[in-house]
Formats: sequence, structure tokens, C-alpha cells
Amino acid sequence: GENVEQHPSTLSVQEGDSAVIKCTYSDSASNYFPWYKQELGKRPQLIIDIRSNVGEKKDQRIAVTLNKTAKHFSLHITETQPEDSAVYFCAASEDSGGGADGLTFGKGTHLIIQP
Amino acid sequence: DTGVSQNPRHKITKRGQNVTFRCDPISEHNRLYWYRQTLGQGPEFLTYFQNEAQLEKSRLLSDRFSAERPKGSFSTLEIQRTEQGDSAMYLCASSSTHRTGTLEQYFGPGTRLTVT
Repeated sequence: GENVEQHPSTLSVQEGDSAVIKCTYSDSASNYFPWYKQELGKRPQLIIDIRSNVGEKKDQRIAVTLNKTAKHFSLHITETQPEDSAVYFCAASEDSGGGADGLTFGKGTHLIIQP
Repeated sequence: DTGVSQNPRHKITKRGQNVTFRCDPISEHNRLYWYRQTLGQGPEFLTYFQNEAQLEKSRLLSDRFSAERPKGSFSTLEIQRTEQGDSAMYLCASSSTHRTGTLEQYFGPGTRLTVT
């Protein structure tokens, strides 16, 4: 089965700086890679996702890059703000029948934005 | 609120008892997923349905766990003979295979189970 490794487990950055979180996956059949943000006591919410036919995707201050050959993908947040403080999870899955199979999640990165 | 809903939000039970949770997906979402999340960990996939059919079950899913989605709308997750290790947040998510361009799974607020 799929195995997703995520680093670092905790990341502290100054407000306004950039943050990068990295993930690797093991199953070459995986072709869908979402990133979720989870605030304390709240449900996970999708912030960005990428499919394997694309190498990079950007949405305002958030970008994701994917290297299928190396089986790794990264989340980049620029100009960090206090509201970016949360736990971020990467995940991997296979796209089947127009939808994603069950997601395999990383263990999460606790992002702390220092004022 | 048209999001994913779960009931109950909290459940405390004694070891050995059976518990059942309910998930109502976003209307017209044909896929429904169950995950389990323990403190400090990412969600762990348990099983998912497309309409009434259970398409995938995690190998980690004990035979004490059973899920149903009889009419392709809401789903129930039952845990028999609960153990302390079953204490976790049980999350439900839903998605649609009919919306081109997105595979997003929308999560519910979860049911927190405590086994004493």
C-alpha cells in the first residue's frame, strides 16, 4: 500500500517569510496529491491539490510542486500571515472513475508563524 | 448548512459496548469516505463507498468495524466490542465523481469517541 512521509513535523517562521513543507510517497500508481489545513479542533480543509499530469500549481500565496520521477511533492507558502498557523497534511491517492480513492495522509506539519 | 454532517459529535462508551455513528454527505455527492484520526496524527483511511457499493476497505480495518450506505445517501459506521484503542476522532468525507476538474473530499466535523 501507499506510504506518505512528511517533513518537518514542526516549522516556525517569521511573519512575512516563506514556508516549505515536503512529502514523499511510495506508490507509483498515485496520481492525485492534495494538501489539507487543519486548525485546532476543526475539520481538515483542502487548500490546494495537484494531479500527476501537472508539475506545479499556484493559488495566490500557495503553490505546490510535484516531481513524479523522485516521488516527492512540496507545499510553498509565501508572505506568511498569522492566520496561516495550523497543521498541514499532505496526502496521496489514485484517481479512479472520476474520483479519488481513499487518501493516505502524512503525519502533518505544525506551522507556527511568529509575529 | 449544506456541508457534511456527522452525529453524534461526541460519544463516550464503556469497553466492550457497540457504537454506531452516522454521516450525511453533501447532497448529490456519490462518494463517501470514513477516516480515523488520533491526536497528533493524520487521518487514516478506513473505507469508502460509491453510491451503495463499498469500493475499498483498508487492510487495517478490524472485523469489529462495519460500514453501510444502504440507499446511497447517509452512511453508518459501527464498532462492535469497543476497545480503548478505538478512542479517536472518526471523520467522514464526501465527494462527487460528476464534477469535472475536482477530486476534492469535503470533511465533516467528526465524531469523537472515547472508550473508558
